[in-house]
Amino acid sequence: GAVVSQHPSRVICKSGTSVKIECRSLDFQATTMFWYRQFPKKSLMLMATSNEGSKATYEQGVEKDKFLINHASLTLSTLTVTSAHPEDSSFYICSARRWHLEDPDNEQFFGPGTRLTVL
Amino acid sequence: QKEVEQNSGPLSVPEGAIASLNCTYSDRGSQSFFWYRQYSGKSPELIMSIYSNGDKEDGRFTAQLNKASQYVSLLIRDSQPSDSATYLCAVNEYSGAGSYQLTFGKGTKLSVIP
Repeated sequence: GAVVSQHPSRVICKSGTSVKIECRSLDFQATTMFWYRQFPKKSLMLMATSNEGSKATYEQGVEKDKFLINHASLTLSTLTVTSAHPEDSSFYICSARRWHLEDPDNEQFFGPGTRLTVL
Repeated sequence: QKEVEQNSGPLSVPEGAIASLNCTYSDRGSQSFFWYRQYSGKSPELIMSIYSNGDKEDGRFTAQLNKASQYVSLLIRDSQPSDSATYLCAVNEYSGAGSYQLTFGKGTKLSVIP
């Protein structure tokens, strides 16, 4: 159990276009999902925390109008990179926390990631 | 500021040896600790979680936790070339408003030499 899928795995787009990335928890419910970005040979950087049915909480320095996050259900969160530019090219990884009643310290599982290249 | 510190390595061990990875954290209130493995170009994979002081074993992996010293370690016995990866230590920390989030160390790169 505890599988997180992400789609697409790789996307190449032109500058100025928008790209939507889907993240799904396949075999568990996730009240909280996280979006990370990772540049080559660098550490994971948390972009935002997404709770089902509420607005996402963005980390400092992450533009909420550029990176739109929707967490519409307990198994699906989407990240839309709006008006993408070459500097947005990166590896985007979602993560889902498995929900368990009365236990806030739950394990967090990562999707396989989406490699975005903006030309 | 809450921090998780790891030696960046690279740590090189011969095949069959024990690899020892260490991590310290600053938030004394942390209760949950995790080790992730990340192969180059891939996303992190959870390999161990530990919540209580002491050792926790799973196959060739042993996680050790000492909350008094704010120290977490991961031992990999009988290291294999396929264990070559970056190992991320992560600590679950309270971020306010009833929410928790993982704070990651920068990772230790492990190379197992055949």
